[in-house]
Amino acid sequence: AQTVTQSQPEMSVQEAETVTLSCTYDTSENNYYLFWYKQPPSRQMILVIRQEAYKQQNATENRFSVNFQKAAKSFSLKISDSQLGDTAMYFCAFMTETSGSRLTFGEGTQLTVNP
Amino acid sequence: EPEVTQTPSHQVTQMGQEVILRCVPISNHLYFYWYRQILGQKVEFLVSFYNNEISEKSEIFDDQFSVERPDGSNFTLKIRSTKLEDSAMYFCASSGLVSGRAEFFGPGTRLTVL
Repeated sequence: AQTVTQSQPEMSVQEAETVTLSCTYDTSENNYYLFWYKQPPSRQMILVIRQEAYKQQNATENRFSVNFQKAAKSFSLKISDSQLGDTAMYFCAFMTETSGSRLTFGEGTQLTVNP
Repeated sequence: EPEVTQTPSHQVTQMGQEVILRCVPISNHLYFYWYRQILGQKVEFLVSFYNNEISEKSEIFDDQFSVERPDGSNFTLKIRSTKLEDSAMYFCASSGLVSGRAEFFGPGTRLTVL
């Protein structure tokens, strides 16, 4: 079975600082995709960043970047220059080619950015 | 920018009633999904739909659930006889062959079963 684990239920960071959210996953597949979704209080699910497992280069989207360690099955999200609007629940998610495109989500990390 | 839309945003129903949740996926997308999120819990996969048929469903998606694409734009989730435990946020998502398999989510429908 494929699983996604987020070991930090809650985190906080000061505005303008950097924070890293951790995620590990378990799969026997070689081809898969990893995602971070943001869920603000409105509960909308917003795609933040994605990574294809066959790409060695870590994905980057503006202030968001990932540290993808395939051998360790680790996929952490780094948020630089944190802003108040980054306050949200962050979900790590995982999809394989053979899973019919279904996303498997972690439990989520509630991030609070303090002024 | 294209987006997935869902209606209604909030649905309140009595236990045992049927509800239909509606979604309009992004127009050139080919894969459609429903996910559920019970308050305070993680998002759970319900069903995926491709080429006018279910491609995969989870153990949650039992006989009381059904999906349909009645026309070229809408994608619906029907719950035949709602239970209290069906109260949750229901998200529709879609993805396309050229989107890097990323799924784009709608804003969700909050279903409350009384």
